[in-house]
Amino acid sequence: GAGVSQSPSNKVTEKGKDVELRCDPISGHTALYWYRQSLGQGLEFLIYFQGNSAPDKSGLPSDRFSAERTGGSVSTLTIQRTQQEDSAVYLCASSLVWRGSFGEKLFFGSGTQLSVL
Amino acid sequence: AQSVTQLDSHVSVSEGTPVLLRCNYSSSYSPSLFWYVQHPNKGLQLLLKYTSAATLVKGINGFEAEFKKSETSFHLTKPSAHMSDAAEYFCVVSATGNQFYFGTGTSLTVIP
Repeated sequence: GAGVSQSPSNKVTEKGKDVELRCDPISGHTALYWYRQSLGQGLEFLIYFQGNSAPDKSGLPSDRFSAERTGGSVSTLTIQRTQQEDSAVYLCASSLVWRGSFGEKLFFGSGTQLSVL
Repeated sequence: AQSVTQLDSHVSVSEGTPVLLRCNYSSSYSPSLFWYVQHPNKGLQLLLKYTSAATLVKGINGFEAEFKKSETSFHLTKPSAHMSDAAEYFCVVSATGNQFYFGTGTSLTVIP
């Protein structure tokens, strides 16, 4: 596609339910990031995928959060047993990284607004 | 470790007057620095980036930023604010090339 696509754009769920958020990066982009943006806060790094390397999961806030990237393309962020503090906008970004590249531009999706009631 | 501090959470300017959004960074290595803008209900968009070339970086929409190593700063400026500049601005640092650290953002209001 022309840009990074995220779905759903809005998700309302009940506390304790599991949710899946999807990100479809720009075709050919090898790097994919998930961030969380809470009201009045900056972007909080969650997880980073680069090619076939093991993902950098250092930003995941708890073991209720997990993510996978299938076939080096689409990624799914799963939050199990959602809590009210999980309410936020979840942003996905992708970039093209190659040998010798450094600090490449991130292309962001429009995000998924998650509301946990 | 890397981090950025955006010194103002809110900035308000009159249309046609200069804009200054302040950012200080901390990095153990020579960093790349970025400014991103987020308009209401839109995705984040890159304004400009610094990656160890010229210290004065020009971006889109008339914005520019100057990298000052001695002051560990990367302030964003624009000579004349336009109504369409009203948005949230994020300063970002990366020292490893694959890990980006975002500031908490500065909300810019432009008064007609």
